[in-house]
Amino acid sequence: AQTVTQSQPEMSVQEAETVTLSCTYDTSESDYYLFWYKQPPSRQMILVIRQEAYKQQNATENRFSVNFQKAAKSFSLKISDSQLGDAAMYFCAYRSVEIGAGNMLTFGGGTRLMVKP
Amino acid sequence: GAGVSQSPRYKVAKRGQDVALRCDPISGHVSLFWYQQALGQGPEFLTYFQNEAQLDKSGLPSDRFFAERPEGSVSTLKIQRTQQEDSAVYLCASSLGVGTYNEQFFGPGTRLTVL
Repeated sequence: AQTVTQSQPEMSVQEAETVTLSCTYDTSESDYYLFWYKQPPSRQMILVIRQEAYKQQNATENRFSVNFQKAAKSFSLKISDSQLGDAAMYFCAYRSVEIGAGNMLTFGGGTRLMVKP
Repeated sequence: GAGVSQSPRYKVAKRGQDVALRCDPISGHVSLFWYQQALGQGPEFLTYFQNEAQLDKSGLPSDRFFAERPEGSVSTLKIQRTQQEDSAVYLCASSLGVGTYNEQFFGPGTRLTVL
């Protein structure tokens, strides 16, 4: 079974600064997807960024980018030019690509990001 | 609406009561997932449907939990004889299909409080 670990329960960043959220995972599979989701107080999970394990290039979406280290099983999220609206819970998630695996997501415990004005 | 909807948004139940939580996925989405999110934790998988077929229910915590999707669209998660440990947010997600990457779109969740 796969596990996802987020070791930072809370992080704080000054508005306009950069912050990095950490995530490690454990799997025996060679191909998979990794995700970062944002969950604001409204509880609606919003996909921030995804990475396919077979791609060596790190994914980027505007101010959000990842540092994917496959050998180390590490998948960190960097948020540049932090904005007040970035304040939320952030969850790292894993999904198998194997047929029959059901495509369910395995989530980490989350990191609460606070943005200071 | 174009998104996943869930009802009710909040449910308070007395211990021992039965509850039913509804999920309306995005129209045309084949796959539907239920997750349970305890306070301060990440969501945990409960069960998965492909159309009306429940293909995986390995995450259901006990036989008090039952889910159905009889016509392959709307799904209901039923919890019988609720216990305090059932208090959580129940999230529903849907995706277009299976196989290669299909993004899961989440609903706003139902917060269940068992007194």
